[in-house]
Amino acid sequence: GEDVEQSLFLSVREGDSSVINCTYTDSSSTYLYWYKQEPGAGLQLLTYIFSNMDMKQDQRLTVLLNKKDKHLSLRIADTQTGDSAIYFCAESGGYQKVTFGIGTKLQVIP
Amino acid sequence: DTAVSQTPKYLVTQMGNDKSIKCEQNLGHDTMYWYKQDSKKFLKIMFSYNNKELIINETVPNRFSPKSPDKAHLNLHINSLELGDSAVYFCASSQNPSGPQADTQYFGPGTRLTVL
Repeated sequence: GEDVEQSLFLSVREGDSSVINCTYTDSSSTYLYWYKQEPGAGLQLLTYIFSNMDMKQDQRLTVLLNKKDKHLSLRIADTQTGDSAIYFCAESGGYQKVTFGIGTKLQVIP
Repeated sequence: DTAVSQTPKYLVTQMGNDKSIKCEQNLGHDTMYWYKQDSKKFLKIMFSYNNKELIINETVPNRFSPKSPDKAHLNLHINSLELGDSAVYFCASSQNPSGPQADTQYFGPGTRLTVL
């Protein structure tokens, strides 16, 4: 079945860039997503990328997709303390089923 | 103007009891989901309904029964609660047509279930 893997934890200093990595196994993945979960809250969609793209930029967020290696990354420029959260990578083949990674906890040190 | 809402937010109950969690979305979406997030934050899909019809049913004990009275509501009923059912349960919804909007899921705030 589909599998999505992420590292569990990332710590960065405020103002630095954060890079959260994700790998997936399903070669038929059509859409790849990044969700953010703040403490005690539900998941919030940050951005998504279609599988025929290799990069997408949205303000401080840059998503890179290497489809050959099935590797997805999320770069957050000028990381702020408000960016501290758990970030979930997810993939979908377009049939309403989305597979989530285990989540990467980002800690921003002031 | 809440998009996806769940009630209750917290639920504490004894083992063996039966409980329900309700979910409503006002986004006009056709598809709704239930996820379970365990203490390690692992998020696992349980069920998915499209226009009141079950389309995804992962390996979930049959003590869990989803019910969709209409496409804006998907409730989760749990019989004979066990300690291992303690988790945060998230409801989500998405649109039906193809394209990334089809699978972009909007999540509710979660229901924290504690079974004693």
